[in-house]
Amino acid sequence: QQQVKQSPQSLIVQKGGISIINCAYENTAFDYFPWYQQFPGKGPALLIAIRPDVSEKKEGRFTISFNKSAKQFSLHIMDSQPGDSATYFCAAPGETSGSRLTFGEGTQLTVNP
Amino acid sequence: GAVVSQHPSRVICKSGTSVKIECRSLDFQATTMFWYRQFPKQSLMLMATSNEGSKATYEQGVEKDKFLINHASLTLSTLTVTSAHPEDSSFYICSGKRGGRGNIQYFGAGTRLSVL
Repeated sequence: QQQVKQSPQSLIVQKGGISIINCAYENTAFDYFPWYQQFPGKGPALLIAIRPDVSEKKEGRFTISFNKSAKQFSLHIMDSQPGDSATYFCAAPGETSGSRLTFGEGTQLTVNP
Repeated sequence: GAVVSQHPSRVICKSGTSVKIECRSLDFQATTMFWYRQFPKQSLMLMATSNEGSKATYEQGVEKDKFLINHASLTLSTLTVTSAHPEDSSFYICSGKRGGRGNIQYFGAGTRLSVL
């Protein structure tokens, strides 16, 4: 079964800074690796996702970097804003296409004004 | 697109009663839906996976007789917490996955269940 380790558990960044969250997975997979953003009392919302045959994907201020050989991927939030303060979860697919997602433990991001 | 609507957002019930939570995919057909439970400051814990028209597959340790899941159509899944007790109080979240579109899941807003 897929395993995912996410770090750090919490992160405090100043407004305008770069937030970096890292994830490592155990089993090779060929489906999307998504990141979700969750605000208190709400469900997770898809932020950005990447396939393992791509090394980087950028959408606005959010970038995923993917290192297939190291089985690691990270989320970079450029020009972090107070409105980005939320919990972020990475997720990794299982070994078969269309399978369940295994989530990381989450990173609570606080962006100070 | 890919909107999932979940109702109710909050429910308070007495111990021993049953509660039904609805999860609807509004603009796509969700061949597979998932139900999660989330404790404060913790990650998502998968409870069960359901495919339209078939019985749900429950994760180890989840009581299938207590958490009844029905996925009767490609846009609707329900979770019924039967004979709820205070220890069932939690945040329940559903998600849907498009058929033939890989593994991306789209989540509902969640239901806060409080059992008195």
